[in-house]
Amino acid sequence: DIQMTQSPSSLSASVGDRVTITCRASQGISNDLAWFQQKPGKAPKSLIYAASNLQSGVPSKFSGSGSGTDFTLTIDSLQPEDFATYYCQQYNSYPFTFGPGTKVNIK
Amino acid sequence: QVQLVESGGGVVQPGRSLRLSCAASGFTFSNFAMHWVRQAPGKGLECVAVISYAGSNKFYADSVKGRFTISRDSSKNTLFLQMNSLRAEDTAVYYCARAGGSGVYSSLDHWGQGTLVSVSS
Repeated sequence: DIQMTQSPSSLSASVGDRVTITCRASQGISNDLAWFQQKPGKAPKSLIYAASNLQSGVPSKFSGSGSGTDFTLTIDSLQPEDFATYYCQQYNSYPFTFGPGTKVNIK
Repeated sequence: QVQLVESGGGVVQPGRSLRLSCAASGFTFSNFAMHWVRQAPGKGLECVAVISYAGSNKFYADSVKGRFTISRDSSKNTLFLQMNSLRAEDTAVYYCARAGGSGVYSSLDHWGQGTLVSVSS
């Protein structure tokens, strides 16, 4: 199975900050990488697919980049509704695997 | 709009069976691959099973292979997960999710609200 790692595991940021989360795959996955946002007690929400494409309805403050094994998610101008846990996921080979998550906390 | 509504969760004893359902609406169900993803309490996300748009291709996580079966009924726009020989470690919220295309190898774009399965004696 492809192993996914994320860093940091958590971070504290202020409203208005720009944050970057890193995701790494244990082997090359081309751009078969998605990002999800999850709030406590809620289902995950899809943000980005194919490493850099926004899902319909997702604001442009979210952006993704990368290819191969290294990927990033950037959130511009953090707002209160953005405080959540973010997961990356590879869908290059089954089982699709998720990173362990990055929790974005309010500073 | 796309809607996915899971049902069938509950408390079940180890070794018993349970069948989850996911009712889909707002899109042409037969055109999309579908997934089951689970999340144990306080833990991360795990893909459990996926089925292609026509049901001809199915893949499973090693942790459930031989015990769980994914299926679909396109006449009823419903996805199923038959879970047999349940174990305590199967305790989780189970989500159904739509793939972004007909093939298995597509990102997940829409999720249901989840149904809780608790395996306990």
